[in-house]
Amino acid sequence: DAKTTQPNSMESNEEEPVHLPCNHSTISGTDYIHWYRQLPSQGPEYVIHGLTSNVNNRMASLAIAEDRKSSTLILHRATLRDAAVYYCILRGTGNQFYFGTGTSLTVIP
Amino acid sequence: NAGVMQNPRHLVRRRGQEARLRCSPMKGHSHVYWYRQLPEEGLKFMVYLQKENIIDESGMPKERFSAEFPKEGPSILRIQQVVRGDSAAYFCASSPQEAATNEKLFFGSGTQLSVL
Repeated sequence: DAKTTQPNSMESNEEEPVHLPCNHSTISGTDYIHWYRQLPSQGPEYVIHGLTSNVNNRMASLAIAEDRKSSTLILHRATLRDAAVYYCILRGTGNQFYFGTGTSLTVIP
Repeated sequence: NAGVMQNPRHLVRRRGQEARLRCSPMKGHSHVYWYRQLPEEGLKFMVYLQKENIIDESGMPKERFSAEFPKEGPSILRIQQVVRGDSAAYFCASSPQEAATNEKLFFGSGTQLSVL
């Protein structure tokens, strides 16, 4: 699986939008972009995934660059419960989800 | 519908003892993945199993570690003769079929192994 680059940490004020960036310059044409998040002392949970088009679900939105070399996870209104480590993952062939170190999001009340 | 269940939640072992970690996948899921997370690090893939088969163990240390997923019962990750460096959180994930490129994984809450 190809690797991704994310900032180590970010901060956001409560109830404001958050844009979490991810670079994946070596992405191949068939790689899906997945996002998971890990709350403290818990296992990762699925957030969203996409291939080429932007995606929306009840948790977040995923904006994918036209060249697919980067993507952005958008939390429309950050809450304290959104404080977590967010992992951007490329999912191609093979059995491994490569998690990397992710972005630690702090939400300020 | 119960999620992925892991037990025990916390496990304390002395150096040289054996650790057995259990994982019951979600109902209807026949694929299990094990990951290890050291403090302040991301998750590292260890092994991928289907019922009665090890499909990919490329992330598993060559010695002391083994995994199984029998026809009946939970998946077991076994660590023999534990050392302090084995202290970590171990997570299990399951999927209904082989995690294809657009399939998602469901994770358990993990087992925190502490080796004294």
